[in-house]
Amino acid sequence: KAGVTQTPRYLIKTRGQQVTLSCSPISGHRSVSWYQQTPGQGLQFLFEYFSETQRNKGNFPGRFSGRQFSNSRSEMNVSTLELGDSALYLCASSLASGNTEAFFGQGTRLTVV
Amino acid sequence: AQSVTQPDIHITVSEGASLELRCNYSYGATPYLFWYVQSPGQGLQLLLKYFSGDTLVQGIKGFEAEFKRSQSSFNLRKPSVHWSDAAEYFCAVGVGGYALNFGKGTSLLVTP
Repeated sequence: KAGVTQTPRYLIKTRGQQVTLSCSPISGHRSVSWYQQTPGQGLQFLFEYFSETQRNKGNFPGRFSGRQFSNSRSEMNVSTLELGDSALYLCASSLASGNTEAFFGQGTRLTVV
Repeated sequence: AQSVTQPDIHITVSEGASLELRCNYSYGATPYLFWYVQSPGQGLQLLLKYFSGDTLVQGIKGFEAEFKRSQSSFNLRKPSVHWSDAAEYFCAVGVGGYALNFGKGTSLLVTP
């Protein structure tokens, strides 16, 4: 069974630009969560989608948004990029919403210059 | 406030020695508890989880963890460490349908 796939693996963007990251969950998993990992703040929850609906949201500005498609694939968008948005963005998939077993992808490394 | 604490930022152990990584949490209810491992440049791999039942749980790669309600702890152990265990280890907590709350992580260095 294929794992969680995140694309692209690496991105370099300029301040002010926007970026879209993609996550394909494990087949059959309907919940996708996104996390931001930085050396200073550690792993922080961004949001969770289940059945195309945002179920939970972390404490991030509105520049961070996401969506989920009918096939459970999810995208995360960050608009008006700031230097502080440089981070590893991790996607996790679960069978259902809530604190069930979460499987993580390898992440997308975003660098904002 | 709800929190997850991993008191040790760095730990160094000799190959073959035993390992214990500490994790303490502060939550009103008994949470779901997880340990993840992350190798450089990689995502997180689930080592083990505790939802309920037996307080000693076995995971992959020879790891185990013990849930102690009275101490609000969920420490990770391994009897004999291998050089390939060098990585970052994260304790995570989840409560009632919300996101995972991660500790800051413990970086494990294994010496020959």
